[in-house]
Amino acid sequence: GEDVEQSLFLSVREGDSSVINCTYTDSSSTYLYWYKQEPGAGLQLLTYIFSNMDMKQDQRLTVLLNKKDKHLSLRIADTQTGDSAIYFCAEKESSASKIIFGSGTRLSIRP
Amino acid sequence: GAVVSQHPSRVICKSGTSVKIECRSLDFQATTMFWYRQFPKQSLMLMATSNEGSKATYEQGVEKDKFLINHASLTLSTLTVTSAHPEDSSFYICSARDTRYGLAGQSSYNEQFFGPGTRLTVL
Repeated sequence: GEDVEQSLFLSVREGDSSVINCTYTDSSSTYLYWYKQEPGAGLQLLTYIFSNMDMKQDQRLTVLLNKKDKHLSLRIADTQTGDSAIYFCAEKESSASKIIFGSGTRLSIRP
Repeated sequence: GAVVSQHPSRVICKSGTSVKIECRSLDFQATTMFWYRQFPKQSLMLMATSNEGSKATYEQGVEKDKFLINHASLTLSTLTVTSAHPEDSSFYICSARDTRYGLAGQSSYNEQFFGPGTRLTVL
């Protein structure tokens, strides 16, 4: 079945770049997402990328997709304390309505 | 953007009681809503897909008699945890699929919008 994997924790210094990595197994994935969850809150869609794209940039966020290796990454430039959250990688097939989530990466910011 | 609300945001109940959680799409119609469960420091687990006017589709291992889902209108789905026990304590999140996105039989990238979650604690 489909599987999405992420490392559980990442700690970076304020002002540095954060890179969160994700791997997935479903070669039929059409949409790949990054969601942000702040403590005690629901999920917020941060950004997404279509499987036919290699890169997408949106202000401080850069998504890189290596479809051959089924590897997705999210880079947050100039990481701020407000970026502290859990970041979920997720994927969906074009024909499916179900989104498959990774385990989430907890990003903490050091002063 | 589309807004999804959940009520209550937090509930504490005694073991053996039933708890109802509401998920509402506030400014759009949702023929499909999804119910997730999230344990501490873990990912979201899809429990069931709720379809307006028909029976919900449950994921493998989820007891449909324990987690009753009703999707009676295009803006409201409810999840009732029946005879709740401490092991049912969790964070329940719903999402709603906006019918405006995607044609019939197809889907689009951002068709699901998530609610803020409901923290259930069973004593």
